[in-house]
Amino acid sequence: GAVVSQHPSWVICKSGTSVKIECRSLDFQATTMFWYRQFPKQSLMLMATSNEGSKATYEQGVEKDKFLINHASLTLSTLTVTSAHPEDSSFYICSARDLGGGKQYFGPGTRLTVT
Amino acid sequence: AQSVTQLGSHVSVSEGALVLLRCNYSSSVPPYLFWYVQYPNQGLQLLLKYTTGATLVKGINGFEAEFKKSETSFHLTKPSAHMSDAAEYFCAVREGQAGTALIFGKGTTLSVSS
Repeated sequence: GAVVSQHPSWVICKSGTSVKIECRSLDFQATTMFWYRQFPKQSLMLMATSNEGSKATYEQGVEKDKFLINHASLTLSTLTVTSAHPEDSSFYICSARDLGGGKQYFGPGTRLTVT
Repeated sequence: AQSVTQLGSHVSVSEGALVLLRCNYSSSVPPYLFWYVQYPNQGLQLLLKYTTGATLVKGINGFEAEFKKSETSFHLTKPSAHMSDAAEYFCAVREGQAGTALIFGKGTTLSVSS
């Protein structure tokens, strides 16, 4: 089946630094990728929708200048958390939509801890 | 706007007992409905989904769900719980179009005791 990978799987960074998270579709092309955030013991909340070659669409309340999304190719989207703060500590999960069949597949998630 | 309500944030059952996790949705168009399972520190795994056609959907690990339009429900069931079923379960809805994102419920933690 289709596989979506995320890198890194776990990252610890200091407050004020930036962290980049990659989401790759390994065996299919994805024009659309979605970024979710999940706080401990809570549900997944959609942050933004990333379309290849165009600007991402952010959900209400999500700072686009803080969470930079780049979808430069049909197999890669990146989320950069800029000037990270402890409250940004969360589980970030991406989902990629298969160009061919329209199905969506989830990545394994990236756990970010900001100290 | 679409939304999902999962009744009961925590469900506890004994091994071998029936599992019932409740999900109600709100959607202005015919919905696509999903159930995902998440084990600690892991990503989401699709259990089953309803798009069109048969309203009783069978998924992996012995789970099934029934789409009831009149009740706007998509409850997840399993006849006999196993210890390995202990996890977090999320119900999600998408308003048809494949390009739109899934909207998730708050999740239900399933505990299974021996």
